[in-house]
Amino acid sequence: SQQGEEDPQALSIQEGENATMNCSYKTSINNLQWYRQNSGRGLVHLILIRSNEREKHSGRLRVTLDTSKKSSSLLITASQAADTASYFCATAWTGGFKTIFGAGTRLFVKA
Amino acid sequence: EAGVVQSPRYKIIEKKQPVAFWCNPISGHNTLYWYLQNLGQGPELLIRYENEEAVDDSQLPKDRFSAERLKGVDSTLKIQPAELGDSAVYLCASSRGSGGQETQYFGPGTRLLVL
Repeated sequence: SQQGEEDPQALSIQEGENATMNCSYKTSINNLQWYRQNSGRGLVHLILIRSNEREKHSGRLRVTLDTSKKSSSLLITASQAADTASYFCATAWTGGFKTIFGAGTRLFVKA
Repeated sequence: EAGVVQSPRYKIIEKKQPVAFWCNPISGHNTLYWYLQNLGQGPELLIRYENEEAVDDSQLPKDRFSAERLKGVDSTLKIQPAELGDSAVYLCASSRGSGGQETQYFGPGTRLLVL
């Protein structure tokens, strides 16, 4: 399967701490995207990182991509209760015309 | 700009009944996606349209599911007849570009419960 796999499946931290989620995949990709889903809502796009990029930032979010290890990480710094959500990585693999979502990491930030 | 609109937000039906979901994508977005999301899982693609053409329907269970995107704007996803295992959230998304690998904008989803 070309599906990305997130790790850990669930994460619980205190407000103000950093949260790191990882995504591993199996085939070559064109890009990798991270999405957030709050309970009962649709997914919201966070960051897209292309295969020739190694790191991207957006506010408190930092995404890295290591194509040699076929892995990506999402770091949320100074977490807030509002960051409580499920986070999905989505891989756009070369040779395909679709983006495949992983099962997600459930983040719970305690106030 | 207005986001992706879906209706209804919730639907409860008995098995073997038909059900339909409607999606209005973001204006100007040529590509429209229908996903199925089971509890605790990520979205799984059912069908992708580029304008009015279904370019990827390989994961759509065609014996009971059908979709259409008339005039390349709004889309309808239908299930007939519904089965207990169809209980899930049905998400619609749209993107500006084609190819299925662009940033996608999701609607709030329709939560279906089949009794």
